[in-house]
Amino acid sequence: GNSVTQMEGPVTLSEEAFLTINCTYTATGYPSLFWYVQYPGEGLQLLLKATKADDKGSNKGFEATYRKETTSFHLEKGSVQVSDSAVYFCAFHTGGFKTIFGAGTRLFVKA
Amino acid sequence: EAEVAQSPRYKITEKSQAVAFWCDPISGHATLYWYRQILGQGPELLVQFQDESVVDDSQLPKDRFSAERLKGVDSTLKIQPAELGDSAMYLCASSRNSQGAPQETQYFGPGTRLLVL
Repeated sequence: GNSVTQMEGPVTLSEEAFLTINCTYTATGYPSLFWYVQYPGEGLQLLLKATKADDKGSNKGFEATYRKETTSFHLEKGSVQVSDSAVYFCAFHTGGFKTIFGAGTRLFVKA
Repeated sequence: EAEVAQSPRYKITEKSQAVAFWCDPISGHATLYWYRQILGQGPELLVQFQDESVVDDSQLPKDRFSAERLKGVDSTLKIQPAELGDSAMYLCASSRNSQGAPQETQYFGPGTRLLVL
C-alpha cells in the first residue's frame, strides 16, 4: 500500500552544518512529492514540492529532487540555522483524494 | 496573505463529553481536509470535502466523530463522546483544486490541540 518512510529523529546539528533528511515512498501511479515544515505550536507549512521525475523543488535554501528510480525525495540544506529547528514531514499526493504523510523528523540546530 | 482559521486553539474536556472544532478555509478553496495528528506522528486524514460533499471519510470513526460543511465554506468537526485516546492535534487544511489534482498544495491552519481527561 501507499506509505512514506522518513529517517527517524531527532537530528541535532550545529549551525552552518549540512542537513540531509531521507525520505522514500511507496505509491501507485505518479505522485507529486512534498516537504512540509511544522514549527512549535503551529500547523504545517509547505516548504517545497516536485510534481514529476527529476524535478527539483527548492525554497529558503532547502532542496529536494524527485528520484523515481529510487522512489526517494531527500531533503537537503547546505548550511542550517537555528531558525530551521522544526519538524519536517515528507508527503505525497496521489491523483484523486489522498495525501500520505511520513511520521516527521525533528531537527534541532544548536548555535 | 489569506490563512486557514481554526478555533479553539486549545480544548480540555473530560471523557464522555462532546467537543466541536471549527475551521474556515481560505476563500475560494473548494477542498477542505480534517486531519488528526498524534504527538510524534504525521497527520492522518479523517475526512475530506469537495465543496459540501464528503469524498473520503474512510478513516473517520463514525460511531463518535461527525463532520459537516453545509454551505461548502466553513466546517465543523464533532466528537461525541470524547475518549482518552482522542487527545491529539486536529488540523484543518484547504486547497483550491476541485479535482484532487496530485500537484495541489494544501494550506494548513494552526490546529486545535485537544486534551481529554
